[in-house]
Amino acid sequence: KAGVTQTPRYLIKTRGQQVTLSCSPISGHRSVSWYQQTPGQGLQFLFEYFSETQRNKGNFPGRFSGRQFSNSRSEMNVSTLELGDSALYLCASSFSGGSGELFFGEGSRLTVL
Amino acid sequence: DQQVKQNSPSLSVQEGRISILNCDYTNSMFDYFLWYKKYPAEGPTFLISISSIKDKNEDGRFTVFLNKSAKHLSLHIVPSQPGDSAVYFCAASEYGNKLVFGAGTILRVKS
Repeated sequence: KAGVTQTPRYLIKTRGQQVTLSCSPISGHRSVSWYQQTPGQGLQFLFEYFSETQRNKGNFPGRFSGRQFSNSRSEMNVSTLELGDSALYLCASSFSGGSGELFFGEGSRLTVL
Repeated sequence: DQQVKQNSPSLSVQEGRISILNCDYTNSMFDYFLWYKKYPAEGPTFLISISSIKDKNEDGRFTVFLNKSAKHLSLHIVPSQPGDSAVYFCAASEYGNKLVFGAGTILRVKS
């Protein structure tokens, strides 16, 4: 059974640009969550999608957005990038959600210059 | 405000001995607590969880204890093995998969 796949694994952007990250959940999983990991703030919840609907949202500015497609694949977008957006972005999936037992991908490492 | 705290950045244990990782929380509305393990260059891996209505949950070498009155949980690994060396994150949930993570504890198991 394939795990959670995130693309791209590494990317470099400059301030003001935007970025789109992609996540393919484990087959059959309908919930996709996104987390940001930084050395200073640790792992922080961005949002969760279930059946193409945002089910939960963290305390991030509106520059951070996401969506989920009918095949459960998800994308997150960060617009007007700031230096502080440099982080590891982790996607996690679960079958239906609710228990917190998540399967994480390896992450997308974003560097903003 | 840090709702979930892991006050020990690192822990070193001899192979075969017990590893005890601790976690404190402040939000009494958390109803589910979890431990994740993370190796370098990999995403976190779910290890074990406990509901707020229980005080203990075991899974093989791993046991999680929850003390609601003290808002404290701990993870016991017995016996510790070198392959257990990783970063351990405590996490708590108030709403489903919206997890609040601690800062993590680096566990080193020496052989």
